Amino acid sequence: DAKTTQPNSMESNEEEPVHLPCNHSTISGTDYIHWYRQLPSQGPEYVIHGLTSNVNNRMASLAIAEDRKSSTLILHRATLRDAAVYYCILRGTGGFKTIFGAGTRLFVKA
Amino acid sequence: ETGVTQTPRHLVMGMTNKKSLKCEQHLGHNAMYWYKQSAKKPLELMFVYSLEERVENNSVPSRFSPECPNSSHLFLHLHTLQPEDSALYLCASSQASSTRWTGELFFGEGSRLTVL
Repeated sequence: DAKTTQPNSMESNEEEPVHLPCNHSTISGTDYIHWYRQLPSQGPEYVIHGLTSNVNNRMASLAIAEDRKSSTLILHRATLRDAAVYYCILRGTGGFKTIFGAGTRLFVKA
Repeated sequence: ETGVTQTPRHLVMGMTNKKSLKCEQHLGHNAMYWYKQSAKKPLELMFVYSLEERVENNSVPSRFSPECPNSSHLFLHLHTLQPEDSALYLCASSQASSTRWTGELFFGEGSRLTVL
């Protein structure tokens, strides 16, 4: 399964944009890029996913590099509630395996 | 509320006990998953059931025994566990075909297991 690489932690100020990077240099052409986040004492929750084009939803935006070897999750205005561990994962179109890495722990300062 | 409910939320058991974790999903999904999250380690996929058949078993020790009686319920039966099995056990569900996932994962809040 293709692996992803993320920084261990990042820090942001409240109400400022946050760009969370992810490298996935061994991504295959059919792998979807998914982002999940895990708030303290909760299970992970889905944030966004994409294949080739940039994607927007009510939670965040996903910017995918043209060669698909990296992507960036964008939180447009960080709030204290966005403090969580963010996971970038690849989901292939065959099978059920979804491999989570260590993720990026986001700290948000008031 | 994610639509995936896990019970109990906390469980303490001795190494000789037998206990079970329960997961129920109200989302109409047809695939269910067990993940293990140990301290300072990434989530580890344990088992996957799709259409009530086990389709993934990631080399999990036999002291963990899953059961999926229908598409809405998933159990993890525990017996003769070790202290290193202490972890957060997360259940998830998604839409799926017989051969692959087709929708995002929805997780429960987890069952925190402590083995003494």
